[in-house]
Amino acid sequence: NAGVMQNPRHLVRRRGQEARLRCSPMKGHSHVYWYRQLPEEGLKFMVYLQKENIIDESGMPKERFSAEFPKEGPSILRIQQVVRGDSAAYFCASSPVSGVNTEAFFGQGTRLTVV
Amino acid sequence: AQKVTQAQTEISVVEKEDVTLDCVYETRDTTYYLFWYKQPPSGELVFLIRRNSFDEQNEISGRYSWNFQKSTSSFNFTITASQVVDSAVYFCALSSHSSASKIIFGSGTRLSIRP
Repeated sequence: NAGVMQNPRHLVRRRGQEARLRCSPMKGHSHVYWYRQLPEEGLKFMVYLQKENIIDESGMPKERFSAEFPKEGPSILRIQQVVRGDSAAYFCASSPVSGVNTEAFFGQGTRLTVV
Repeated sequence: AQKVTQAQTEISVVEKEDVTLDCVYETRDTTYYLFWYKQPPSGELVFLIRRNSFDEQNEISGRYSWNFQKSTSSFNFTITASQVVDSAVYFCALSSHSSASKIIFGSGTRLSIRP
């Protein structure tokens, strides 16, 4: 039973390019959460999605960032026109039902470096 | 407002010493969950424990133990007979019933175990 799978593990982008980060939740999990960890900091909540729905995006930057969780396939976190400040580790978590209180399993993260 | 404070930024001890990592939280909810995660140098997030607000019993798992005290809003983590492999950043975190989609992380404590 595979855990939460994130790819790529490492991603390098030049300023102005787009970054696409993928997250496949654990089998049977229909709730996905994205977190960002800036260097030397704790994780900060970005967005919570269910299949085809964004439930809570209160932590998402207003511009350039978007997330989706289609009916089929992984959840995607998309960053357009990346800047150096977007360099961070992006973690995805999934849970079988609503709320991380049940049990949230984290992926290994995608480390984005913007050069 | 919900908040998690880990006042110890870095701790360094010699192998085999006991070490306690402090965690203080703030929440107005009566139902909430507390977590500890370990982030080793490889970067992934390793789940250690989840404790709900109704269960104040202390927990022991091998060399790890947790002391939950509602009266002082603290959820401290002790490693007994520390080992070099315990070197990592440790995060305390909080999730409340009213905002079940979010885990609020502390800023982390970097623990270094010297041989």
